[in-house]
Amino acid sequence: DGGITQSPKYLFRKEGQNVTLSCEQNLNHDAMYWYRQDPGQGLRLIYYSQIVNDFQKGDIAEGYSVSREKKESFPLTVTSAQKNPTAFYLCATKGHRNTGELFFGEGSRLTVL
Amino acid sequence: SQELEQSPQSLIVQEGKNLTINCTSSKTLYGLYWYKQKYGEGLIFLMMLQKGGEEKSHEKITAKLDEKKQQSSLHITASQPSHAGIYLCGASPFGNQFYFGTGTSLTVIP
Repeated sequence: DGGITQSPKYLFRKEGQNVTLSCEQNLNHDAMYWYRQDPGQGLRLIYYSQIVNDFQKGDIAEGYSVSREKKESFPLTVTSAQKNPTAFYLCATKGHRNTGELFFGEGSRLTVL
Repeated sequence: SQELEQSPQSLIVQEGKNLTINCTSSKTLYGLYWYKQKYGEGLIFLMMLQKGGEEKSHEKITAKLDEKKQQSSLHITASQPSHAGIYLCGASPFGNQFYFGTGTSLTVIP
């Protein structure tokens, strides 16, 4: 089935540890995005990538890093520099249709103890 | 970045009641998207509006974009428990950047 796979769904880490969240897609979409969602808040853009080997910072990129070595994959690393990393993280891709909507994965919930 | 304000922040309605959620932009909207999110899951695309005055419907959900293209509303008729979740509006003002509103949490009481 075509879609976006995020893993792991739940992740617990100790403070000070780096964590990498996986996002894989088989939709053949060029653009990929990472968002962070906190309780009672909307989505905030962390990073996005329009093509392989290229990515741009969103509004809250500090403490995060990404790579885009393959079209299918856009992993997000939450570094120890991120002050408040506990959140729900969503990966999305943008399709080729004229409507231009985003397609989302099921999300990864990170809890830092 | 594009500022998208949604109201109300949360809504509790009795099953069968109608309701409206609003999304207001600080800038002209060149494409306004509505999504629904079940708690702890990804977002599901509902519909997209582009033209001033445009209105679209899907089942019991109707979305409108005002003539000035700075405000959109989402109306649910005869709400059901299956409508419960978080509704978010989104916009893509610059190239591939995509921003979302603050979200409206909807609870439908059977």
